[in-house]
Amino acid sequence: AQSVTQLDSHVSVSEGTPVLLRCNYSSSYSPSLFWYVQHPNKGLQLLLKYTSAATLVKGINGFEAEFKKSETSFHLTKPSAHMSDAAEYFCVVSDQKTGFQKLVFGTGTRLLVSP
Amino acid sequence: DAGVTQSPTHLIKTRGQQVTLRCSPISGHKSVSWYQQVLGQGPQFIFQYYEKEERGRGNFPDRFSARQFPNYSSELNVNALLLGDSALYLCASSQQTGGNTGELFFGEGSRLTVL
Repeated sequence: AQSVTQLDSHVSVSEGTPVLLRCNYSSSYSPSLFWYVQHPNKGLQLLLKYTSAATLVKGINGFEAEFKKSETSFHLTKPSAHMSDAAEYFCVVSDQKTGFQKLVFGTGTRLLVSP
Repeated sequence: DAGVTQSPTHLIKTRGQQVTLRCSPISGHKSVSWYQQVLGQGPQFIFQYYEKEERGRGNFPDRFSARQFPNYSSELNVNALLLGDSALYLCASSQQTGGNTGELFFGEGSRLTVL
C-alpha cells in the first residue's frame, strides 16, 4: 500500500527564515505526490504536485518541493516564511493501485510562524 | 467562480441518529469524493462518485453511504451515529474519475459533533 510519513508534527520558524517540512513516501509504483495546505476553518488547498516530470516542483506562494527517489522523500521548502504561512500542511500520495481517485494523506505538520 | 460548497457547516447529533451531508461540486466537475478528517489526523478517503456511480470506497462500515445526483451534487449519509463519527467531513470535486494527476478541489467541510 502506498503511504506517506510526515516526520514532524509541529515546525516553528520566525518570519523571514526558511521553511522545511519533511515527508517520506512508500510506494510500489512511480508515485504521484502532492502537498496540500489547510488554514484554520478552511478547506484544503493544493500547493503543488509531482507527477514524474521535473523532480523540482514549484508551487503557489513561493513553495517548492524536490522529489528524491533515492531517499524516498518529497520535502516542502520555502526560502522565507510569512505570517500568513501558518497553517497545517499535508503530504499526500495518490493511490494508483485502486484505479480510482484516492488520496492518502499524512498526519500533517503544523507550521507556526512567529514575528 | 463558485468553489465546492458543503452544507451544513456545523451540526450536532446524538448517538444512534442519522445525518445527511450535502455537497455541490464546481461547475463542470463530474466527480465527487468524500473524506473524513478526525481531529488531529489527516483526511481519510470514504467514497468517490463519478457520473452518478460509485467508483471507489474506503475502509468504512456500511453505516456510511452516499449518492450522486444528475446535477453531480452529492449526499453523504451516516446511520446509527457513534461518538467516533465526530469529525470534519470534506467533499472534493474533480473533472475526472481516475488517474493520478487530476487536482481535487476541496470544500470547507461539514463539522459533525456526536454527543
